[in-house]
Amino acid sequence: ETGVTQTPRHLVMGMTNKKSLKCEQHLGHNAMYWYKQSAKKPLELMFVYNFKEQTENNSVPSRFSPECPNSSHLFLHLHTLQPEDSALYLCASSQPAPEAFFGQGTRLTVV
Amino acid sequence: QKEVEQNSGPLSVPEGAIASLNCTYSDRGSQSFFWYRQYSGKSPELIMSIYSNGDKEDGRFTAQLNKASQYVSLLIRDSQPSDSATYLCAVIWTGNQFYFGTGTSLTVIP
Repeated sequence: ETGVTQTPRHLVMGMTNKKSLKCEQHLGHNAMYWYKQSAKKPLELMFVYNFKEQTENNSVPSRFSPECPNSSHLFLHLHTLQPEDSALYLCASSQPAPEAFFGQGTRLTVV
Repeated sequence: QKEVEQNSGPLSVPEGAIASLNCTYSDRGSQSFFWYRQYSGKSPELIMSIYSNGDKEDGRFTAQLNKASQYVSLLIRDSQPSDSATYLCAVIWTGNQFYFGTGTSLTVIP
């Protein structure tokens, strides 16, 4: 069982839909992250949470809304997305050790 | 603009050879460096971390760090077909913000 679990693994949504991605970590980490991975582009850091507090928002459009109710759970709420938002969305966790561990990702397709 | 740069490849090596992957970074103050392996359709998997200048060995993998040259590399000895993947270099700028290169695609030819 992976220490970082993401659901769903695949998601197809229309541009007017609202959906949420979920991430749960069982590693006792204090920091959680959302990354976006598009083809031929580096992993893009979207949001960082430390001890449930958001410490980084890398100019992410407001149609992406993160939520971190506790140090083990992280959500990414999606609404009115665009086709260019189709990508692999990865959750990761770390701290106190610096190494980050990733979940299996959610493959999102916006139609 | 903080950047992590890697040659995208593809890099092809015969089975049993040494694969050499390179990464440069722009922030001289960076302290923590990582190599991740990502198989097609899968998430990145941590394979090496290095924090001080010099070499760090773990099995067939050796990470090399030169902070003066802002350069980190990964050597894979006795390359196997199962090593075929994309290798991502990651750097922590400050705190716990990880930034990644675009990755180098490695193919090990049997």
